[in-house]
Amino acid sequence: ETGVTQSPTHLIKTRGQQVTLRCSSQSGHNTVSWYQQALGQGPQFIFQYYREEENGRGNFPPRFSGLQFPNYSSELNVNALELDDSALYLCASSLEGVGETQYFGPGTRLLVL
Amino acid sequence: AQKVTQAQTEISVVEKEDVTLDCVYETRDTTYYLFWYKQPPSGELVFLIRRNSFDEQNEISGRYSWNFQKSTSSFNFTITASQVVDSAVYFCALSGPLNSGNTPLVFGKGTRLSVIA
Repeated sequence: ETGVTQSPTHLIKTRGQQVTLRCSSQSGHNTVSWYQQALGQGPQFIFQYYREEENGRGNFPPRFSGLQFPNYSSELNVNALELDDSALYLCASSLEGVGETQYFGPGTRLLVL
Repeated sequence: AQKVTQAQTEISVVEKEDVTLDCVYETRDTTYYLFWYKQPPSGELVFLIRRNSFDEQNEISGRYSWNFQKSTSSFNFTITASQVVDSAVYFCALSGPLNSGNTPLVFGKGTRLSVIA
């Protein structure tokens, strides 16, 4: 069974640029959630995708957007990067349904200069 | 609104000591799920346990045990005979309600555990 994978592992961007992060879900999982984890904080929910549609969103601005593909993999796009976007971005996959366990990938560390 | 509080920011213990990590949650929902995750230095969140609000039985898995008390809204995690490999940041998380189609996790700020040899 293949776990959740994310790419790239590290990324350095400058303010104002755009970035795309990628996630492949665990085999058999059809739901992907994205979280942002600032240094020293717990992960914060960005949004969730199910059946290629956004299925819930946290308190993040529209410049954070995403996609889910037919194979359940997902992308997180962030436009007009700000310094505060520097964080660890975590992707989690799960089966659909409330309370299903979310399994996390290793994350992408984004640094915005 | 849902909220998870992990009051202990950092804990340091000597190997083989027992240690308890506290988690207090707030929710208006009558049905919900609670989770614990471990985050080693590599950054990946590792799932440890899931417990639904209907099940208040304590659980033991090897050196790990969990004490869920609905009356005090707490879901504490104990490591018995701690080992250096237990050093990590531990997160408590809450999700629900059970009749919702959207299941984001609400995390606490985490407790950094250092086990010294």
